[in-house]
Amino acid sequence: AQTVTQSQPEMSVQEAETVTLSCTYDTSESDYYLFWYKQPPSRQMILVIRQEAYKQQNATENRFSVNFQKAAKSFSLKISDSQLGDAAMYFCAYRGASGTYKYIFGTGTRLKVLA
Amino acid sequence: DGGITQSPKYLFRKEGQNVTLSCEQNLNHDAMYWYRQDPGQGLRLIYYSQIVNDFQKGDIAEGYSVSREKKESFPLTVTSAQKNPTAFYLCASSNLAAPGELFFGEGSRLTVL
Repeated sequence: AQTVTQSQPEMSVQEAETVTLSCTYDTSESDYYLFWYKQPPSRQMILVIRQEAYKQQNATENRFSVNFQKAAKSFSLKISDSQLGDAAMYFCAYRGASGTYKYIFGTGTRLKVLA
Repeated sequence: DGGITQSPKYLFRKEGQNVTLSCEQNLNHDAMYWYRQDPGQGLRLIYYSQIVNDFQKGDIAEGYSVSREKKESFPLTVTSAQKNPTAFYLCASSNLAAPGELFFGEGSRLTVL
């Protein structure tokens, strides 16, 4: 069965600095999708960034980028120029490209942004 | 506006009572999902459905039931058999095609008194 692990329960970053959140996963599938979701205090889940496993190029969305290492099964999220609005829970998620289409989530990392 | 609507936002229940959480989507998505969120445990999958009139158990289905009679609707019933039902419940949907992101509702907070 697929698993997603986020080993950092909480992280802190100074405003305008850069922070990296870690995520590792385990799967025997060769094709899949990976996601980072943000959950602010409102608890609304918001998609931050996605990565297709067959793409070697790392995805980027403005200040958010990923470091996707397929062989190592690692999918970290880098937030540049951190802003107070980035403070939230961040969840890493996995979905296979075929089969049951289950989305598996990690336990989350709480990010605090210090002014 | 297209989206997912969950109701109610807050619900209180006495022990021994069943309660049904509503989830409706107008995104024309085939797949729908129910997750439970507890502090420190992330999102755990309760049930999911990829097509009308069919659904599969997730990792923590015991004490829950669902139905999928319409493409737009996927209600979740929390039965009295669920030993610890107090939690935040999230409904989501996806069109399954690439890139296949999940769209979420705003959630329902269930408290058992």
